[in-house]
Amino acid sequence: GAGVSQSPSNKVTEKGKDVELRCDPISGHTALYWYRQSLGQGLEFLIYFQGNSAPDKSGLPSDRFSAERTGGSVSTLTIQRTQQEDSAVYLCASSLELSGDEQFFGPGTRLTVL
Amino acid sequence: AQSVSQHNHHVILSEAASLELGCNYSYGGTVNLFWYVQYPGQHLQLLLKYFSEDPLVKGIKGFEAEFIKSKFSFNLRKPSVQWSDTAEYFCAAKYIFGTGTRLKVLA
Repeated sequence: GAGVSQSPSNKVTEKGKDVELRCDPISGHTALYWYRQSLGQGLEFLIYFQGNSAPDKSGLPSDRFSAERTGGSVSTLTIQRTQQEDSAVYLCASSLELSGDEQFFGPGTRLTVL
Repeated sequence: AQSVSQHNHHVILSEAASLELGCNYSYGGTVNLFWYVQYPGQHLQLLLKYFSEDPLVKGIKGFEAEFIKSKFSFNLRKPSVQWSDTAEYFCAAKYIFGTGTRLKVLA
């Protein structure tokens, strides 16, 4: 079956603009995760969803970051008023359930803020 | 706070050398531990996982990891590495990941 997909694959934007990143998880997976991968920083957890709810938003770096998930499927990560330090690869993953299941990762969106 | 520490950031080995990558976690409650691998140009993928079974876990491509509860450790091992093992390796406790270890194997 299809894996996790993300769009766009690359996004270049100007400082101060808003961006939306999209994630389509594997069908039937109830848990969805967003991470940020920067050079030397590893995988930084941002937020996860169980269904449409986000029980843990503790990883969101600032109030410029928000995410939503609708219909227990597609998720959007929005970054408002982008800054250069937001440049990174944003990864999405999904798992069957939250309880520590294996996560399946998407290819990521490479965001560059000029 | 939940955390995962990987102490080796860069490792360079020759083919056939033995590998051990350290991972320590700080996590309350039931622990589900993972090692993921990211080969150059590819997605992150699961290498192996520990789910409260045998503390010695065997994964793909000859990798194994040992869960030692008293040391809060889940180190990754491989007796003899190959050039194709060149990749970045991440330890994780549920959805908290370590900073990764870049392994380069010289042919």
